[in-house]
Amino acid sequence: SQQGEEDPQALSIQEGENATMNCSYKTSINNLQWYRQNSGRGLVHLILIRSNEREKHSGRLRVTLDTSKKSSSLLITASRAADTASYFCATDASDYKLSFGAGTTVTVRA
Amino acid sequence: GAGVSQTPSNKVTEKGKYVELRCDPISGHTALYWYRQSLGQGPEFLIYFQGTGAADDSGLPNDRFFAVRPEGSVSTLKIQRTERGDSAVYLCASSLTSGSLSEAFFGQGTRLTVV
Repeated sequence: SQQGEEDPQALSIQEGENATMNCSYKTSINNLQWYRQNSGRGLVHLILIRSNEREKHSGRLRVTLDTSKKSSSLLITASRAADTASYFCATDASDYKLSFGAGTTVTVRA
Repeated sequence: GAGVSQTPSNKVTEKGKYVELRCDPISGHTALYWYRQSLGQGPEFLIYFQGTGAADDSGLPNDRFFAVRPEGSVSTLKIQRTERGDSAVYLCASSLTSGSLSEAFFGQGTRLTVV
């Protein structure tokens, strides 16, 4: 079963614009991670945010976490064509097992 | 190697046949995971190895699926009597240790198509 749910399912933006996607989950977590996937193949780890953190930055990425609402958001600023991909949130269903959502497909138009 | 390597990258097989999917983890990573991703979905957990032993195989869908990691490095996912519903991308990941704070590195996956 998949705990995380991303919203929206798909997002189309112009190059240079910001892209925001959200993730909601059901049970308590130790941390939440965001991954990127190009062309339905390998997943690339983007960022991990711990349950006691509220916001984290990595380059053009900004992740927030609200444990009271069981939700997280990923913001990509100044998007580029290379950001076109599917983005997944993953929660730690156990100490080693990740539970992924169905993902948000982002298309950045040149 | 530099990353997690999975072979083959694509596999087409006939219904009822047996297939083996291979995963070479990053050298020194003790934890290894298999996930399965169906079209339009996120990856779903299949099995987790810590060293040579399968610490958790609760995600394997049925007894047609089996995985081994005999020397604590390379792992093979084996599927017997394949069915069309087994068609998916099978992803392998490894991490330095287990634990949710140890980043998992994913391979490029094997796309399995059962015809």
